[in-house]
Amino acid sequence: EVQLVESGGGLVKPGGSLRLACAASGFTFSNSWMGWVRQAPGKGLEWVGRIKTKRDDGTAGYAAPVKGRFTISRDDSKNTLYLQMNSLKTEDTAVYYCTTVVFAVVPACDYWGPGTLVTVSS
Amino acid sequence: DIQLTQSPSSLSASVGDRVTITCRASQTLNSYLNWYQHKPGKAPKLLIYAATFLQTGVPSRFSGRESGTDFTLTISNLQPEDFATYYCQHSYSIPYTFGQGTKLDIK
Repeated sequence: EVQLVESGGGLVKPGGSLRLACAASGFTFSNSWMGWVRQAPGKGLEWVGRIKTKRDDGTAGYAAPVKGRFTISRDDSKNTLYLQMNSLKTEDTAVYYCTTVVFAVVPACDYWGPGTLVTVSS
Repeated sequence: DIQLTQSPSSLSASVGDRVTITCRASQTLNSYLNWYQHKPGKAPKLLIYAATFLQTGVPSRFSGRESGTDFTLTISNLQPEDFATYYCQHSYSIPYTFGQGTKLDIK
């Protein structure tokens, strides 16, 4: 059974940093593209970014609001995905979801974690 | 960046009804369009991928269509568990933007 469990959320001050982790199990992590999606309170889903497998060059792509501040990385030896968030703003307050990105004809987020809440506030 | 415009933003319907949600893209997507269902406090769920393909385990009352830059999600014979918020998302190029969402509630 595929399981994704996010951790690392919490309260942080504006300008601060936080690193989220996503522990994956039940599938071959190194063969899977992975992604992050967030939902701010009362708002819709917002795509944050995704990272390819190392075999597919391992690069990450980001949404404009987080580009240059957030970094997605992966540790295939630990089956873990990371989201390093720097220079945090109040508008980054959201539940952050980890997803697998499957190539089902086209890329799609097929498995999701339960999410972890990040609150950016002074 | 590709923009997705979803309509309506909210919709009221009754059990047994048939409803359609539309997602219009700012450019051709060549079927790179997915649909998700999201319920409060739960993780989103993939319903339809590549515009028309039903994800494994999703009931056949859900269906997707593509016509140019317009995509539709249709739910036939609405069931109580279908009341949720629905999102389209493209995966044609970075960033994989979501639509604004359509909240479906009980009339």
